[in-house]
Amino acid sequence: EIVLTQSPGTLSLSPGERATLSCRASQTVNSNYLAWYQQKPGQAPRLLIYGASDRATGIPDRFSGSGSGTDFTLTLRRLEPEDFAVYFCQQYGSSPYTFGQGTKLEIK
Amino acid sequence: ELQLVESGGGLVQPGGSLRLSCAASGFTFSRYWMHWVRQAPGKGLVWVSRINSDGSSTSYADSVKGRFTISRDNAKNTLYLQMNGLRAEDTALFYCARESTGYYVLDVWGQGTTVTVS
Repeated sequence: EIVLTQSPGTLSLSPGERATLSCRASQTVNSNYLAWYQQKPGQAPRLLIYGASDRATGIPDRFSGSGSGTDFTLTLRRLEPEDFAVYFCQQYGSSPYTFGQGTKLEIK
Repeated sequence: ELQLVESGGGLVQPGGSLRLSCAASGFTFSRYWMHWVRQAPGKGLVWVSRINSDGSSTSYADSVKGRFTISRDNAKNTLYLQMNGLRAEDTALFYCARESTGYYVLDVWGQGTTVTVS
């Protein structure tokens, strides 16, 4: 099973700043099948990025994903108030599909 | 509008059973692989199970193998999760999710149904 480790656990930033979230895999993620999801309290996860760097439909271009192999990054430039949430990475290249433990992005 | 609506959650005693349902609408359900993912209170997401489009192939997380059974009725546009031998550690919000054709990622999620084992 591939273990995904996200860092930091909590990130405190102000609107307008840039956020960089990390996701490190214990093994190579096949075909860079790495996704990022956003989850707000009381809501279902929302797909942001798939294939490590492709934005899902309707996702603003201030969200970007990068990385390959075992190291992946989600970058949010110019944070908007609605971006403060929990972010999860997920690998879907091999079964069992696994998720990181999440990064909470909070308002400073 | 693409929609997944889960139901069937509730309070059950340890060792008991529940069957969750997920009603799909707004897309051709029979063409998509489907998944169940759960989230314990205040915790992260954990993949539970997946089924292919015609129901002929399934897979499970080790933690539920032999206790949970995923199935689907394409005529009713509905996904199921039969849960037997429930344990306290199964307490969670259970989401159904659609796997995007060709991209393999979970692109549509329901709002979840809560299972409490106590």
